[in-house]
Amino acid sequence: AQSVSQHNHHVILSEAASLELGCNYSYGGTVNLFWYVQYPGQHLQLLLKYFSGDPLVKGIKGFEAEFIKSKFSFNLRKPSVQWSDTAEYFCALEPGNTGKLIFGQGTTLQVKP
Amino acid sequence: GAGVSQTPSNKVTEKGKYVELRCDPISGHTALYWYRQSLGQGPEFLIYFQGTGAADDSGLPNDRFFAVRPEGSVSTLKIQRTERGDSAVYLCASSDGTGNEQYFGPGTRLTVT
Repeated sequence: AQSVSQHNHHVILSEAASLELGCNYSYGGTVNLFWYVQYPGQHLQLLLKYFSGDPLVKGIKGFEAEFIKSKFSFNLRKPSVQWSDTAEYFCALEPGNTGKLIFGQGTTLQVKP
Repeated sequence: GAGVSQTPSNKVTEKGKYVELRCDPISGHTALYWYRQSLGQGPEFLIYFQGTGAADDSGLPNDRFFAVRPEGSVSTLKIQRTERGDSAVYLCASSDGTGNEQYFGPGTRLTVT
């Protein structure tokens, strides 16, 4: 079965700390991978995406993610977080080009000023 | 340009009643998706339209749920004989095809009492 697992449910960091959020997926075929972010009171927004090519993808606001096919992982990173990064982060898988997104359960990031 | 809009933003209904939730996609987007997000969980895929037809309805939980997109633009998600377990945020997204970024609306929060 296709699934996405996010290891950290709630992460608390101080400003300027480095961030890494884990994401592993289960699917044997071609995948498109996404990280979406939901800021408090706002709707889901795309942070970054991987379709093919360079496995290190850069997104908005200094975020990046690395696709490691052998580990079925797509971890999100940011070298130095800001208070405004406080939000919920969702990793998502699109199996093939099916259109269907399968989301992880989300990680709540709280950044202390 | 305008994003995806959803109406109503909140809907409270009694158990057993019928509800309709509306989604207006981004103009020109051919693909439209419905997801359901329960508290503390990631969005769960329900159905995907390509144009007027449902390309994948494998996520609809049972036959009480039905969705239409008669003119290939606006879509309505219909829920019959609502149950308390249907309470969730119903999200709509649109894209200009599979394998492309999905743009999410603000969601409709459905509460069944």
